Amino acid sequence: RKEVEQDPGPFNVPEGATVAFNCTYSNSASQSFFWYRQDCRKEPKLLMSVYSSGNEDGRFTAQLNRASQYISLLIRDSKLSDSATYLCVVAVLGGYQKVTFGIGTKLQVIP
Amino acid sequence: GAVVSQHPSWVICKSGTSVKIECRSLDFQATTMFWYRQFPKQSLMLMATSNEGSKATYEQGVEKDKFLINHASLTLSTLTVTSAHPEDSSFYICSARGGGGGQPQHFGDGTRLSIL
Repeated sequence: RKEVEQDPGPFNVPEGATVAFNCTYSNSASQSFFWYRQDCRKEPKLLMSVYSSGNEDGRFTAQLNRASQYISLLIRDSKLSDSATYLCVVAVLGGYQKVTFGIGTKLQVIP
Repeated sequence: GAVVSQHPSWVICKSGTSVKIECRSLDFQATTMFWYRQFPKQSLMLMATSNEGSKATYEQGVEKDKFLINHASLTLSTLTVTSAHPEDSSFYICSARGGGGGQPQHFGDGTRLSIL
């Protein structure tokens, strides 16, 4: 089983739609979680950290479910500019710190 | 804040050449820097992790003599691809993190390396 799993998609959604991605992780010791956005042929950019209580930033909402070991990203009112690949990142802290990236979920917002 | 600069952004050179890529954190001190490689339509692959002043930790399968990493200061890390060959052609991206593992990584713009 991969340490971090994401559905690679693509998710094709119309403008204005709400779309959600999940990302599962296998290491129960994972402590920090992030969503990054990567545009084609560009570097990943931090979208948001994911907090235990869930957090929202404008149209984007991130949730963490430790019991089921997954994080989610919800995008409301999708814009064409949201088209990108969304990477899930999971970090294990402590003496040996390990950061693992998911393969990414591709989102295509259609006019 | 949290700007990471990577240079050069594009390199085309002949087989056998060594190529050096620089990664700088411009407005924060990067206690840890990471080097990744990404092939088209594939996920980021971590090559190595480096902490300032100490030797880099390489991931399994990454040749440390081929990919030399130097992290001499809290704001600069370099990756040298020695005697590059066409199969080394890829997108190389660095990231930097200030503080502990709970902090996010901030990425450089990436370097597109093409070996002829």
